[in-house]
Amino acid sequence: GAVVSQHPSWVICKSGTSVKIECRSLDFQATTMFWYRQFPKQSLMLMATSNEGSKATYEQGVEKDKFLINHASLTLSTLTVTSAHPEDSSFYICSARLAESYNEQFFGPGTRLTVL
Amino acid sequence: QQPVQSPQAVILREGEDAVINCSSSKALYSVHWYRQKHGEAPVFLMILLKGGEQKGHEKISASFNEKKQQSSLYLTASQLSYSGTYFCGTDTGGGNKLTFGTGTQLKVEL
Repeated sequence: GAVVSQHPSWVICKSGTSVKIECRSLDFQATTMFWYRQFPKQSLMLMATSNEGSKATYEQGVEKDKFLINHASLTLSTLTVTSAHPEDSSFYICSARLAESYNEQFFGPGTRLTVL
Repeated sequence: QQPVQSPQAVILREGEDAVINCSSSKALYSVHWYRQKHGEAPVFLMILLKGGEQKGHEKISASFNEKKQQSSLYLTASQLSYSGTYFCGTDTGGGNKLTFGTGTQLKVEL
């Protein structure tokens, strides 16, 4: 149980284009999902908290107009990187909180974004 | 502020034990431990809650000192599969939002 999927697993795009990443909880409902970014050999940095049916809460320094988050259902959250630039290249990982248990977070497999 | 983990890196021979420490500058509601292998997502290992409850892995144990704002992860009889980077994630606000630590690279060799 507690499986989280992400799609795509990797994407290469040209500078200036937008990229959408999907995060799905496959066998449980997640009212809260989290989006992280991880640069090589660094820790995970929380970007935003995605709540079903309401606006996402962004961490300080994360541009909400650049990283659009939509949590349309209890099993799906999407992150859209708008007008991507090379500095946005990173490993993007989502997690979903298992509210019925000890609130542990289960992570998706991640999406490697490369912006040329 | 990011929790500080120690050691930064450790190499073990199979069967040896290790302790990884996580120290926060803020009061903690809970501490979550994860292991991440290169290019993969973090895998949940253990959660420790304020008040002493915990849920986790069979062969891994941990402690949580609320007063000192610290947690330690104990790996016993290490196996090759234990290799990876270990992160603690701390919840300082009670809202389950985690701040991840600096990471500890663990390598288990034959």
